[in-house]
Amino acid sequence: DTGVSQDPRHKITKRGQNVTFRCDPISEHNRLYWYRQTLGQGPEFLTYFQNEAQLEKSRLLSDRFSAERPKGSFSTLEIQRTEQGDSAMYLCASSPREQNQETQYFGPGTRLLVL
Amino acid sequence: DQQVKQNSPSLSVQEGRISILNCDYTNSMFDYFLWYKKYPAEGPTFLISISSIKDKNEDGRFTVFLNKSAKHLSLHIVPSQPGDSAVYFCAAGTASKLTFGTGTRLQVTL
Repeated sequence: DTGVSQDPRHKITKRGQNVTFRCDPISEHNRLYWYRQTLGQGPEFLTYFQNEAQLEKSRLLSDRFSAERPKGSFSTLEIQRTEQGDSAMYLCASSPREQNQETQYFGPGTRLLVL
Repeated sequence: DQQVKQNSPSLSVQEGRISILNCDYTNSMFDYFLWYKKYPAEGPTFLISISSIKDKNEDGRFTVFLNKSAKHLSLHIVPSQPGDSAVYFCAAGTASKLTFGTGTRLQVTL
């Protein structure tokens, strides 16, 4: 098992364009999380999935953001009509649903720059 | 509202000495706590965790202490090694998500 993977690792786009990121969790982890990290801050929770069900969304996740996990395996995060304020590192994490206190394992992140 | 705070943005420690990283939280509903280490251009790497019902957890060179009454936790690294130089994030968990502090940059010098 190679851990959580994310693609692409870097994305540069122009304001107003749509972007989509992919996350492949550790196999057999049925929880998947998205976080965003900006310079000088810790990661901030965006949303999470239990299998294919999206169970919680942060108020940081505006209606321009949508996340899916259609088959309960990989997940995509789409940002429509990107703005310069969307520039950040987008992190994906996964955890097994063995108990309530779960360790989340993070991928390498996708760094987004909106020009 | 910063529910998890790491008030020291940076720390410098000599190789072989103890590194102590601190974290404070405000929400009594957090039921577990974790420390992550992060290198530039990589995602956070899990180091150690502690349940809110415990006051200490140890794993090799890493020990986490939790003081619930003070809403304070700390990470001790002993002995510190140059490879420990990174940004360390404290995180507090509820059933569904983690809330992170802003990180402390540790520099271990020779």
